[in-house]
Amino acid sequence: DARVTQTPRDKVTEMGQEVTMRCQPILGHNTVFWYRQTMMQGLELLAYFRNRAPLDDSGMPKDRFSAEMPDATLATLKIQPSEPRDSAVYFCASGPGSSTDTQYFGPGTRLTVL
Amino acid sequence: DAKTTQPPSMDCAEGRAANLPCNHSTISGNEYVYWYRQIHSQGPQYIIHGLKNNETNEMASLIITEDRKSSTLILPHATLRDTAVYYCIVRLRQGGSEKLVFGKGTKLTVNP
Repeated sequence: DARVTQTPRDKVTEMGQEVTMRCQPILGHNTVFWYRQTMMQGLELLAYFRNRAPLDDSGMPKDRFSAEMPDATLATLKIQPSEPRDSAVYFCASGPGSSTDTQYFGPGTRLTVL
Repeated sequence: DAKTTQPPSMDCAEGRAANLPCNHSTISGNEYVYWYRQIHSQGPQYIIHGLKNNETNEMASLIITEDRKSSTLILPHATLRDTAVYYCIVRLRQGGSEKLVFGKGTKLTVNP
């Protein structure tokens, strides 16, 4: 049963620290998405990639967030420096192609910045 | 911004059909209606999508009005495990436009 995996599942850190979240998309999927979910804002798209190239990162605060795909099996989302307002659940999703019908979501990383 | 309007919450009795409405009055001709759901503490899960014809799969049915300004997701025999937030999303289905814009969704509670 192919699934998107995310690590870590939970992360507690202090303000100012660097945070790296990792995502392994489903093998063969070439589109990867990063979403953030908070009580106030709901689910928001931060960025997405196709064939490892960024297509849209307009939802991502550029000063402290960065998203990369070092290879086809790994996507990373980095926050440096982290702030308490970054506390949220971060979801990664992957899809199989350019006319993706379905996005398959991972279990999320719950980030708490103290 | 989300282009859909959904009731914030609904209740349904276990075993009965759950009918979840969605308004999308500004939908354009090449935009599809998608439904996802999110069970507590999990990532969203795809349910179904459609353009103008009614659609059915193993999870649900989607009824789209003829003018396409609204739709209804039907869970024919709701179970307790269907308790979740259901999101109705309008989006283009073409390369480069895969982004999903989530609204607040409908919190469906299935009661025993």
